[in-house]
Amino acid sequence: AQKVTQAQTEISVVEKEDVTLDCVYETRDTTYYLFWYKQPPSGELVFLIRRNSFDEQNEISGRYSWNFQKSTSSFNFTITASQVVDSAVYFCALNSGGSNYKLTFGKGTLLTVNP
Amino acid sequence: ETGVTQTPRHLVMGMTNKKSLKCEQHLGHNAMYWYKQSAKKPLELMFVYSLEERVENNSVPSRFSPECPNSSHLFLHLHTLQPEDSALYLCASSQAGFQPQHFGDGTRLSIL
Repeated sequence: AQKVTQAQTEISVVEKEDVTLDCVYETRDTTYYLFWYKQPPSGELVFLIRRNSFDEQNEISGRYSWNFQKSTSSFNFTITASQVVDSAVYFCALNSGGSNYKLTFGKGTLLTVNP
Repeated sequence: ETGVTQTPRHLVMGMTNKKSLKCEQHLGHNAMYWYKQSAKKPLELMFVYSLEERVENNSVPSRFSPECPNSSHLFLHLHTLQPEDSALYLCASSQAGFQPQHFGDGTRLSIL
């Protein structure tokens, strides 16, 4: 069975602070994909990143960075110098188990960035 | 045009009404999805269509009836809904067999 745990339900920071959103996953498959999505108040889930299980290199995209560690089954997301526009719910998701269609989502972390 | 468009954005209906949610994707994808998002719960996959055939149906009650007339359009027909069906319904699309999925803005459904 696949499972994604986002232990942080809500995080509140002040603008310009760095913040890390945690994601821990469970799967028995050796081939799998991990994702992060952002859901602003408008409702749309915005795709941020996909990482496959064979690529443990960390990735940086502007103020966003991702740390994938298979040894701890974690795929954490860091926002550097946070901005008010970063306020949203962030979801971590897992695709594995032979179904190319099914994404298992975590419950999400509500990030509030205060001015 | 945005990649995945959902209409209406908001819908209020009584339990005896019949209504339909519409989703249209402009990304050239051939797989489409319906999700339900309730407060405090993870997103729940409801249905998946690939090449216009239903490939996943996650034990969804029959009061929800999907329809995929072509690879660009997906409908969710609603009838005799219950108050617990109030939620945000999200549509997504992808290339069949590949991720990521791209989502629409959702339809906020309220059942009176």
